[in-house]
Amino acid sequence: NAGVTQTPKFQVLKTGQSMTLQCAQDMNHNSMYWYRQDPGMGLRLIYYSASEGTTDKGEVPNGYNVSRLNKREFSLRLESAAPSQTSVYFCASSPTGGETQYFGPGTRLLVL
Amino acid sequence: DQQVKQNSPSLSVQEGRISILNCDYTNSMFDYFLWYKKYPAEGPTFLISISSIKDKNEDGRFTVFLNKSAKHLSLHIVPSQPGDSAVYFCAAEGGSNYKLTFGKGTLLTVNP
Repeated sequence: NAGVTQTPKFQVLKTGQSMTLQCAQDMNHNSMYWYRQDPGMGLRLIYYSASEGTTDKGEVPNGYNVSRLNKREFSLRLESAAPSQTSVYFCASSPTGGETQYFGPGTRLLVL
Repeated sequence: DQQVKQNSPSLSVQEGRISILNCDYTNSMFDYFLWYKKYPAEGPTFLISISSIKDKNEDGRFTVFLNKSAKHLSLHIVPSQPGDSAVYFCAAEGGSNYKLTFGKGTLLTVNP
């Protein structure tokens, strides 16, 4: 079991470029989440998917879109990157939501 | 409005002594609480949790205490080891919204 995997590990973008962060889990979990971590800010929820076919906004959704491609995969898209989106992004999953979440290793994104 | 607060950004203790990390919450709907541990350049990993129907949960060297009337929980690590040096996040969940709310984290340093 790989658990939660994320690609890429590190990415540098220029302002205005777009990219998609990929996340996959092999634990047959129903719920998946995207967080960002900034210094001194803890983990803030961007979007989540309680189950396949549903997505909802979290605390800081502006500038992002998500796709729950299937039960395993949940992607995060930045349509037009901004320096304020420089952060470390974590994907997580949980069996049915509201329980222990399991995190991926993170994607470090730098927007110049 | 921060619903989960970790008021100590950092804590330093000697190896073998007790580490006590504190967390306060404001939302009375929270009924499940978790602690996560995070090493640099890795994703958070689940450490221990407690339901609001309990006031204590123990797992080896780690014990979490919950005081519902004070809306306060604490994580005790006894004895502390250098490998425990990490950032510790407190998180809370309530209702059926599938979301965890995280504190900003406390950096624990255990000195040999």
